[in-house]
Amino acid sequence: KAGVTQTPRYLIKTRGQQVTLSCSPISGHRSVSWYQQTPGQGLQFLFEYFSETQRNKGNFPGRFSGRQFSNSRSEMNVSTLELGDSALYLCASSGQLDTGELFFGEGSRLTVL
Amino acid sequence: AQSVTQPDIHITVSEGASLELRCNYSYGATPYLFWYVQSPGQGLQLLLKYFSGDTLVQGIKGFEAEFKRSQSSFNLRKPSVHWSDAAEYFCVLSTGGGNKLTFGTGTQLKVEL
Repeated sequence: KAGVTQTPRYLIKTRGQQVTLSCSPISGHRSVSWYQQTPGQGLQFLFEYFSETQRNKGNFPGRFSGRQFSNSRSEMNVSTLELGDSALYLCASSGQLDTGELFFGEGSRLTVL
Repeated sequence: AQSVTQPDIHITVSEGASLELRCNYSYGATPYLFWYVQSPGQGLQLLLKYFSGDTLVQGIKGFEAEFKRSQSSFNLRKPSVHWSDAAEYFCVLSTGGGNKLTFGTGTQLKVEL
């Protein structure tokens, strides 16, 4: 069974640009969550989607957005990039709701110059 | 608001020695508690989980954790550490409202041969 796949794995952008990250969950998993990992703030929850609906949202500005498609694949978008958005963005999927048992991808490492 | 504290940022142990990683949480009720491990190139992996019931839970790779309500703690233990256990360990809390996880700051484990 294939794991959670995130693309791209690495990318470099400049301030002011926007970026879209993609996540394919484990087959059959309908819950997809996104997390940001930085050395200073650690791992922080961005948002969670289930059946194309956002269920939870973390404390991030509106520049961070996401969506989920009917096949459960998810994308997140960051507009007007800032230097502080440099981070590892992790996607996780789950076959169950409200359990916290997540399967994580290896992440997309974003560098903003 | 809930929070998780991991007081040890770095821990070094000799291979074969026992290990205990500390975790304290703050939440008004009994949360769901987890330990996740992050190794380079392998992403975040669930080690074990506590939902309710038996306060001593077993996980993968020979790890166990004990939930102590009176101390708001969920410490991770392993009787004999292997060099491959070197990684970063995160204590994680979920309140059951979706798959939104609150991560501790992590403990980096180094294993000396």
